[in-house]
Amino acid sequence: KAGVTQTPRYLIKTRGQQVTLSCSPISGHRSVSWYQQTPGQGLQFLFEYFSETQRNKGNFPGRFSGRQFSNSRSEMNVSTLELGDSALYLCASSDQGAGANVLTFGAGSRLTVL
Amino acid sequence: AQTVTQSQPEMSVQEAETVTLSCTYDTSESDYYLFWYKQPPSRQMILVIRQEAYKQQNATENRFSVNFQKAAKSFSLKISDSQLGDAAMYFCAYRSPNTGNQFYFGTGTSLTVIP
Repeated sequence: KAGVTQTPRYLIKTRGQQVTLSCSPISGHRSVSWYQQTPGQGLQFLFEYFSETQRNKGNFPGRFSGRQFSNSRSEMNVSTLELGDSALYLCASSDQGAGANVLTFGAGSRLTVL
Repeated sequence: AQTVTQSQPEMSVQEAETVTLSCTYDTSESDYYLFWYKQPPSRQMILVIRQEAYKQQNATENRFSVNFQKAAKSFSLKISDSQLGDAAMYFCAYRSPNTGNQFYFGTGTSLTVIP
């Protein structure tokens, strides 16, 4: 099985721009979660999508949004970028909505905001 | 929100020796799940081991084992016979059965393995 694929791996944007990150989960996995990883704040939960519906949302401003398509692929969008949005964005997928589900992570998208 | 604390930002171990990484968490729930994830320098997070809170037996995966103390809300990871490939950032994580796949992560422990 192919793993979780995130694109792009690296990107550089300037303040005020917007960015879209993509995540393809493991085949058959219906849950996709997004996390922001920074040296100062660590790993913080952004949101989770399950069967095209947002099931949970973390404590992030409305500039952060996401969606999930019928094939379970997910995108997250950050509008009006700020310097503090520079981070590694990790996507993770899992195959069920309950139980001791394991998150399988992608390699991440490294966003630098100048 | 649940809080996960890893009090050791950095640890080192000699190759072939044993090391224990500490993790404590704060929760009012009785049922939950705990995990250790490893993030090598290449950045991809990998599951090391998981524990269901209702299970009294400590989980073991080859050289990796946990010491789960539910009353103390402690979940330490023991790595036996440390190998160079064990060098990584290790994250402890908590998952509630009520919030889908929202995991709460600790701040991580950077493990160095000395040849």
